[in-house]
Amino acid sequence: NAGVTQTPKFQVLKTGQSMTLQCAQDMNHEYMSWYRQDPGMGLRLIHYSVGAGITDQGEVPNGYNVSRSTTEDFPLRLLSAAPSQTSVYFCASSYRTGGRGYTFGSGTRLTVV
Amino acid sequence: AQTVTQSQPEMSVQEAETVTLSCTYDTSESDYYLFWYKQPPSRQMILVIRQEAYKQQNATENRFSVNFQKAAKSFSLKISDSQLGDAAMYFCAYRTTPQGGSEKLVFGKGTKLTVNP
Repeated sequence: NAGVTQTPKFQVLKTGQSMTLQCAQDMNHEYMSWYRQDPGMGLRLIHYSVGAGITDQGEVPNGYNVSRSTTEDFPLRLLSAAPSQTSVYFCASSYRTGGRGYTFGSGTRLTVV
Repeated sequence: AQTVTQSQPEMSVQEAETVTLSCTYDTSESDYYLFWYKQPPSRQMILVIRQEAYKQQNATENRFSVNFQKAAKSFSLKISDSQLGDAAMYFCAYRTTPQGGSEKLVFGKGTKLTVNP
């Protein structure tokens, strides 16, 4: 009963480097999303997907790419890391209907130096 | 666009006492869902309670209950018999409906709850 699995838990990048944050869920959820959490800002939506092959931008999409080739996986790519992308990143998933809450991964703390 | 406001950045409560965290939201939708999430120092986001807007009855989960005032767009969380393990950041969140395409959770900025022994 894994739920939502995020890797890695911690990462330090140099400015300009690229990397992929991994997210996988085993609950057959149609909806998956990425949020970033910054002090005093709550959580803000980066990108989301309502099913395999369908993605869309959230509130703060610049500098990030996503794809959804399978129902289970929703990786987040940082194209060229910047210090402004230092944050805690959460992946979350949910069924599309029924109004159930989202299930969150344990988060990735990313520092860009 | 929907917004969620938590007006209390920090709150404190004595162990075994009751505390209420405030949340207001702005929306033009008639059908939606509201949630309270708890984030302890471990960073994990834990769903505490949820409310469906079309239900007039306030949701309860053990020591946690909400006061949902739809007309006032208010959704407060009451924690009874507070325990040390309740100390955490609490986020109020609004879930938009799938209609219209842009489905998401909109979060408030959070309230940090301290429980004093």
